[in-house]
Amino acid sequence: GQNIDQPTEMTATEGAIVQINCTYQTSGFNGLFWYQQHAGEAPTFLSYNVLDGLEEKGRFSSFLSRSKGYSYLLLKELQMKDSASYLCAVMDSNYQLIWGAGTKLIIKP
Amino acid sequence: EADIYQTPRYLVIGTGKKITLECSQTMGHDKMYWYQQDPGMELHLIHYSYGVNSTEKGDLSSESTVSRIRTEHFPLTLESARPSHTSQYLCASSERGHDTGELFFGEGSRLTVL
Repeated sequence: GQNIDQPTEMTATEGAIVQINCTYQTSGFNGLFWYQQHAGEAPTFLSYNVLDGLEEKGRFSSFLSRSKGYSYLLLKELQMKDSASYLCAVMDSNYQLIWGAGTKLIIKP
Repeated sequence: EADIYQTPRYLVIGTGKKITLECSQTMGHDKMYWYQQDPGMELHLIHYSYGVNSTEKGDLSSESTVSRIRTEHFPLTLESARPSHTSQYLCASSERGHDTGELFFGEGSRLTVL
């Protein structure tokens, strides 16, 4: 079966750096996505990786290793507004998104 | 800012009622989706559409139907609501052939079936 694994919850301090990992096993691979979802709100797109390596976008970076079935989202200079759930999703061979359950990130002052 | 709207935002109904959740987008996107999401759980695809008159079933489609008569409109209907349908329903859209596959989500419809 298809599976996306990511930690359920993480805690970090304002101003620090946090890395959220995602491992996947899917039938085919056509890209990996990270979405941010604040409580009670809709998910919003953060990043897309289809080739191995690091993609940087401001304070957020996303890394992909296709051979290891592994990705991480790196958040730098954490702010209180970064408290949210971070969803990892993989597009399979049928171009359908397979979603992880999300990682709830708690930022403490 | 995404232009995709869902109504109602919140709905409490009794068992056995028929309900329709509305979703409209003004971005001209061909692809539209309905997802179900419970707290702390992954999104599950209910139905999707590639364009007008196209509808496909996802993982949780057996108890609901959709239609796509117009590009901008993709309503979801539950013929007979049950307490197990209590959940958040998210509508999303994306451009056909857009290679990043970025989804734009509506604010969601939170359904409670008593």
